[in-house]
Amino acid sequence: RKEVEQDPGPFNVPEGATVAFNCTYSNSASQSFFWYRQDCRKEPKLLMSVYSSGNEDGRFTAQLNRASQYISLLIRDSKLSDSATYLCVVTGFLGDYKLSFGAGTTVTVRA
Amino acid sequence: DAGVIQSPRHEVTEMGQEVTLRCKPISGHDYLFWYRQTMMRGLELLIYFNNNVPIDDSGMPEDRFSAKMPNASFSTLKIQPSEPRDSAVYFCASSELWTGENIQYFGAGTRLSVL
Repeated sequence: RKEVEQDPGPFNVPEGATVAFNCTYSNSASQSFFWYRQDCRKEPKLLMSVYSSGNEDGRFTAQLNRASQYISLLIRDSKLSDSATYLCVVTGFLGDYKLSFGAGTTVTVRA
Repeated sequence: DAGVIQSPRHEVTEMGQEVTLRCKPISGHDYLFWYRQTMMRGLELLIYFNNNVPIDDSGMPEDRFSAKMPNASFSTLKIQPSEPRDSAVYFCASSELWTGENIQYFGAGTRLSVL
């Protein structure tokens, strides 16, 4: 079983729509959670950290469910510029600084 | 800060040749990571360093791969001899842990093609 699993998509949505997707992780001892964004042929970049209480950053909302071991990302009022691959990222136990990356969820926002 | 700097951006070589990829982390960052990304396997961690010391190299695929960090501002990943299956994008990332979060900043990557 992979450490981090994501629905690869693609999610093809019109501008202004809301899109949401999840990722599941296998290590219950995981401490930190992130969403990274990767544009085509570019490097991954941090989109947002995911906190236990859930957090928002503008049009983006991230949620963490430790009991069910999943993380979600919701994008409201989608823009063309939101088209990218979104990588779910999980760290291990405290003191383990390796990041485990999901394979990514591709989102395409169309005009 | 200029961010993480990798060179070369593109490398095309023939099977059997030695390949050296270079990385300059963000100044002040004490962790450095090397990743490989392919369509089939996604983003895989190869090795990471803390204060120039290799901490975990369990992701290095085989003895043909080696990595060094002679000082805080420079690291290399070497493949000798290279094989076509090594073709991938290789990313270097750095982070500082004093913030309590392992937020990694990636370089632009080196796109390696082994013919």
